[in-house]
Amino acid sequence: AQRVTQPEKLLSVFKGAPVELKCNYSYSGSPELFWYVQYSRQRLQLLLRHISRESIKGFTADLNKGETSFHLKKPFAQEEDSAMYYCALPSGGSNYKLTFGKGTLLTVNP
Amino acid sequence: DGGITQSPKYLFRKEGQNVTLSCEQNLNHDAMYWYRQDPGQGLRLIYYSQIVNDFQKGDIAEGYSVSREKKESFPLTVTSAQKNPTAFYLCASSISLRQPQHFGDGTRLSIL
Repeated sequence: AQRVTQPEKLLSVFKGAPVELKCNYSYSGSPELFWYVQYSRQRLQLLLRHISRESIKGFTADLNKGETSFHLKKPFAQEEDSAMYYCALPSGGSNYKLTFGKGTLLTVNP
Repeated sequence: DGGITQSPKYLFRKEGQNVTLSCEQNLNHDAMYWYRQDPGQGLRLIYYSQIVNDFQKGDIAEGYSVSREKKESFPLTVTSAQKNPTAFYLCASSISLRQPQHFGDGTRLSIL
């Protein structure tokens, strides 16, 4: 069965420091992964998807099939990056569902 | 902003009562979803619908029911069979399955 693991419930960094939010997955086949973010008092929203290979708000995420990881990285964290981050993995086949990790709450301190 | 509207924002239920949570979208999306969010649990899929008049169970469908009679609407009923209904419920939609999902603001359900 597919699984998404975000090992850190909480992550705290200082402004300007690099940040890495970890996501590991188990999936047989070629996965398609997403990062969703929920800022305080806002809706959960898509941050980025690995097939886009783009950088959103300075964040990037690279799919590492060898390590089955999709870590989210930003070289210099900003206070406005403080939010709850969820990694998500869609299932394959006809019975589609999106499996979310339990989330990591990132706090960027001034 | 519009997109997906969930109502009410807060809902209270007495023991043994069924309650229905509303979800409406004006994005012309075919697919809609219901998730339950509990502290420390992330989001868990209750039901999803790929298209009008079709829906499938997710991971935790027991004690819940849905209907999809209109493209814009995907109401969720929390039945008395759901033993632990207190949670935050999120509705989402996407252009089609496998596309990024857009979420509503959520409904917080509490038991009196």
